[in-house]
Amino acid sequence: QKEVEQNSGPLSVPEGAIASLNCTYSDRGSQSFFWYRQYSGKSPELIMFIYSNGDKEDGRFTAQLNKASQYVSLLIRDSQPSDSATYLCAVKRSQGNLIFGKGTKLSVKP
Amino acid sequence: DTEVTQTPKHLVMGMTNKKSLKCEQHMGHRAMYWYKQKAKKPPELMFVYSYEKLSINESVPSRFSPECPNSSLLNLHLHALQPEDSALYLCASSQDPRLAGDTQYFGPGTRLTVL
Repeated sequence: QKEVEQNSGPLSVPEGAIASLNCTYSDRGSQSFFWYRQYSGKSPELIMFIYSNGDKEDGRFTAQLNKASQYVSLLIRDSQPSDSATYLCAVKRSQGNLIFGKGTKLSVKP
Repeated sequence: DTEVTQTPKHLVMGMTNKKSLKCEQHMGHRAMYWYKQKAKKPPELMFVYSYEKLSINESVPSRFSPECPNSSLLNLHLHALQPEDSALYLCASSQDPRLAGDTQYFGPGTRLTVL
């Protein structure tokens, strides 16, 4: 089992819809979880981090964490074409480094 | 300010060349990272410097040599690279990797092509 797994997509949603991105992880001792957005040819850009069970909201973005199920998700409300990118889930190891999932490519259609 | 800068933006080098990639941050962060990213793949960790000491080396070939002259600067020295080393090289920094909420911020990357 890979440490961090994501559905590679592509995930296609219409403009204005909710996009739901999912991530599972294998290390039950993981404490911190991150979502990065990466446009083609650019570097990863931090969207949110979460380390407590439950929901964390920031604008149109909501991160959800369920440690019992080892599951992290990112919801994007009112999706815009500018949200079209690859979304990387990352889990922090105890040494401090991040392990990335393969990323989910999101396409928001006007 | 969450800016990490990297130079150069693009680099083309032959297999016998020696070159260096540079990374700089002025956020007072005490950890700096080098990642390698191939097309359509996630970033892969290469090295971590924490408080100016090399704390993680992910079994990277010796043709890649990191250097951390001070807490704001991180270099990656390249020598005798192979064409398969062509990739986007990303630098990141964070405040303190021991903290649960420690967050890594990435620079724009250096696009490296080895001929």
